[in-house]
Amino acid sequence: ILNVEQSPQSLHVQEGDSTNFTCSFPSSNFYALHWYRWETAKSPEALFVMTLNGDEKKKGRISATLNTKEGYSYLYIKGSQPEDSATYLCAFITNQGGKLIFGQGTELSVKP
Amino acid sequence: ETGVTQSPTHLIKTRGQQVTLRCSSQSGHNTVSWYQQALGQGPQFIFQYYREEENGRGNFPPRFSGLQFPNYSSELNVNALELDDSALYLCASSPVVQGAGETQYFGPGTRLLVL
Repeated sequence: ILNVEQSPQSLHVQEGDSTNFTCSFPSSNFYALHWYRWETAKSPEALFVMTLNGDEKKKGRISATLNTKEGYSYLYIKGSQPEDSATYLCAFITNQGGKLIFGQGTELSVKP
Repeated sequence: ETGVTQSPTHLIKTRGQQVTLRCSSQSGHNTVSWYQQALGQGPQFIFQYYREEENGRGNFPPRFSGLQFPNYSSELNVNALELDDSALYLCASSPVVQGAGETQYFGPGTRLLVL
């Protein structure tokens, strides 16, 4: 059974703090790793699709790194803002099909 | 905005009933996937359709079935509803054949409550 683990489950930070979350996934049969940002009552929004070991992607204050050999990805948010409050999901795809295998998410709350 | 819509937004059914959930993908997206998110868990893959044919299935019983139409809309049907079917159901579309390494575009979900 393929398992994707995210930590922490929830995080409460102050505005301006930088923060990071972890996504752990099986290192075998790796194809791609997705990060999604999901605000309450909205659609999950794609942040990054990462495929290469050592890949680093950036979108504004949010960046992500990927280590496929050891099976983890980090998501970083620099200078958190209240509008960053959301659940951040990672999802892993094997080289055997297109289904996303999701972690349970990290719920971020940023207080003004 | 992802351009993917789902209907209805909320639904209440009783055990044993049947339900149909609908999804409208972006034009040109030939692949649609359905996911179930139970409380406190990440979304779980139900199945994927590519050009109106089932193209992969997760660990869900046959009473979960789907249809995909040429107009980029799709349906998830669940027969003989059980209490454990209460969840948020998400659809996601992609322009790529199997939607593997490309972004999948999600709808906002349908929340189903089975009493």
